Amino acid sequence: DVKVTQSSRYLVKRTGEKVFLECVQDMDHENMFWYRQDPGLGLRLIYFSYDVKMKEKGDIPEGYSVSREKKERFSLILESASTNQTSMYLCASSKVAGVKYNEQFFGPGTRLTVL
Amino acid sequence: AQSVTQLDSQVPVFEEAPVELRCNYSSSVSVYLFWYVQYPNQGLQLLLKYLSGSTLVKGINGFEAEFNKSQTSFHLRKPSVHISDTAEYFCAVTSSGGSYIPTFGRGTSLIVHP
Repeated sequence: DVKVTQSSRYLVKRTGEKVFLECVQDMDHENMFWYRQDPGLGLRLIYFSYDVKMKEKGDIPEGYSVSREKKERFSLILESASTNQTSMYLCASSKVAGVKYNEQFFGPGTRLTVL
Repeated sequence: AQSVTQLDSQVPVFEEAPVELRCNYSSSVSVYLFWYVQYPNQGLQLLLKYLSGSTLVKGINGFEAEFNKSQTSFHLRKPSVHISDTAEYFCAVTSSGGSYIPTFGRGTSLIVHP
């Protein structure tokens, strides 16, 4: 089975801190994604990556950056955390870049609170 | 551009009753449709998907969905729900004329009461 793991389930940070969220998948998937989930807004795509060192902006990239140095790992970085970044963050992966019928596999999520 | 509308943000139902969660999409070309479920404090997992062929798709946990091209719908159904079906359900679409990144609906919260 594909497994997507996220480094923390719960995280509390202070405004202005630099925050790293880590995601690892173990099935050699090409695509990896970061979403944030807020009540009533569903899933919103922050960034995605289709290959090592490649990244593409999603719908809401402002305030975030990403890093993919290895195929299995995709990191989300909040350069200077703000209270409006308090949210649930979900990492996902899918098998082959450019294929439209691939399902996504999700991690358990990281609930980030910024005080 | 592809888009998805989940018509109900919340659906309350009693245990053992049937349920339908509605999903409509907008795309003029071939589509691939997905339903995901998110149990409390967990990530999403695939419930079922329509790629081609039979319009009635069966998924896990007794759920099924019907692809209706003329009505651009992909409604999710279960004939008899359990308390354990309480979760958030997301419909998603990709299309042959659009990005391979799926577009998700805003989700429907299914609340099953005893």
